[in-house]
Amino acid sequence: SAVISQKPSRDICQRGTSLTIQCQVDSQVTMMFWYRQQPGQSLTLIATANQGSEATYESGFVIDKFPISRPNLTFSTLTVSNMSPEDSSIYLCSVEGSGFLGYTFGSGTRLTVV
Amino acid sequence: EDQVTQSPEALRLQEGESSSLNCSYTVSGLRGLFWYRQDPGKGPEFLFTLYSAGEEKEKERLKATLTKKESFLHITAPKPEDSATYLCAVEAAGNKLTFGGGTRVLVKP
Repeated sequence: SAVISQKPSRDICQRGTSLTIQCQVDSQVTMMFWYRQQPGQSLTLIATANQGSEATYESGFVIDKFPISRPNLTFSTLTVSNMSPEDSSIYLCSVEGSGFLGYTFGSGTRLTVV
Repeated sequence: EDQVTQSPEALRLQEGESSSLNCSYTVSGLRGLFWYRQDPGKGPEFLFTLYSAGEEKEKERLKATLTKKESFLHITAPKPEDSATYLCAVEAAGNKLTFGGGTRVLVKP
């Protein structure tokens, strides 16, 4: 299955600033997914990113708040814009596994907004 | 709207005490049901995919089963290293995963 490198692993940010999270995959993938995991909760899909097209956002998430780039088949970024303490969460990227091996997740970015 | 409910929320077991975790789901057009293990500070680790009712899969002390409405993750003779949060997710059309709230399992020696 694919190996995902996600950076940074954690960060503490001031409210009102933005943070860009990077996700690098060791193989070419069509779709990349971004999830949010709020403290003590499960994962919620933010958006699906396809190379060469705009990301598709789930209900409750908007491009102005969570802009996503997908410049090639192995890389994507998620930006958390104009952050508030409510954005404190773990953000994870994911790709579909090969051979029905499920979806692979990165190790996540633990974001704390103060 | 796809929904996934996991129970119990938390489970404390003695080492060797077998138990089962439940995942109930409602989804339009199930493409697959996934079980993941998540350790603190890490991303989910893939365990199993189940596709159709009656299917079963095993890995070491874990066995996952699937019916038309729910899935079970059986932990046989657990060890302390089995302590983790176990997540269930369903996939419908569009490669979208909907996750349940998870079951936190603590196995005490």
